[in-house]
Amino acid sequence: AQTVTQSQPEMSVQEAETVTLSCTYDTSESDYYLFWYKQPPSRQMILVIRQEAYKQQNATENRFSVNFQKAAKSFSLKISDSQLGDAAMYFCAYRSPRSNTGNQFYFGTGTSLTVIP
Amino acid sequence: GAGVSQSPRYKVAKRGQDVALRCDPISGHVSLFWYQQALGQGPEFLTYFQNEAQLDKSGLPSDRFFAERPEGSVSTLKIQRTQQEDSAVYLCASSLLAGAYEQYFGPGTRLTVT
Repeated sequence: AQTVTQSQPEMSVQEAETVTLSCTYDTSESDYYLFWYKQPPSRQMILVIRQEAYKQQNATENRFSVNFQKAAKSFSLKISDSQLGDAAMYFCAYRSPRSNTGNQFYFGTGTSLTVIP
Repeated sequence: GAGVSQSPRYKVAKRGQDVALRCDPISGHVSLFWYQQALGQGPEFLTYFQNEAQLDKSGLPSDRFFAERPEGSVSTLKIQRTQQEDSAVYLCASSLLAGAYEQYFGPGTRLTVT
């Protein structure tokens, strides 16, 4: 089974600064999808950004970007110009393209991000 | 349109009671997933439906857990004879297509077994 590791249980960042959240994963598949989800205290998971493994270009969504290193199996999230609303738990997730797994997500244990005013 | 909704949002059950958790996916979404999220952990897969068919139930922790989606829309996760270790947040997610890469999550049901 695929495993996803987030080695930073907690991170903090000053408002307007940049922070990077780490994620590594283990897989024998060559094609897959990676995601970062945000879970605010209300608990509804919100998609932040996604990356297809076959794409070499790193995904970017406004202030959020990833550093995808396929050989190293690393998928970090960079948040630029941090805002108070970015405070949440962030989960890295892996999804296999194989339909026999039901396309389930494998999640890391999460990183709790605090934004300091 | 409306997102994924779950009810109840909070449930307290005495050990040994049966509980039923409901998920209303986004209308028209083919795939539906249930996840269990223990405190301080990431969500873990429980089961998957494609329309009304339960195609994967490999994540269900015991035969006390049962899920159904009889008409291919609303789904119910039932836990019989609840135990303290069942205390967790139960998340439901849906996606438009069977192969769609994005899942939309509901707010979850926090189950506390006393």
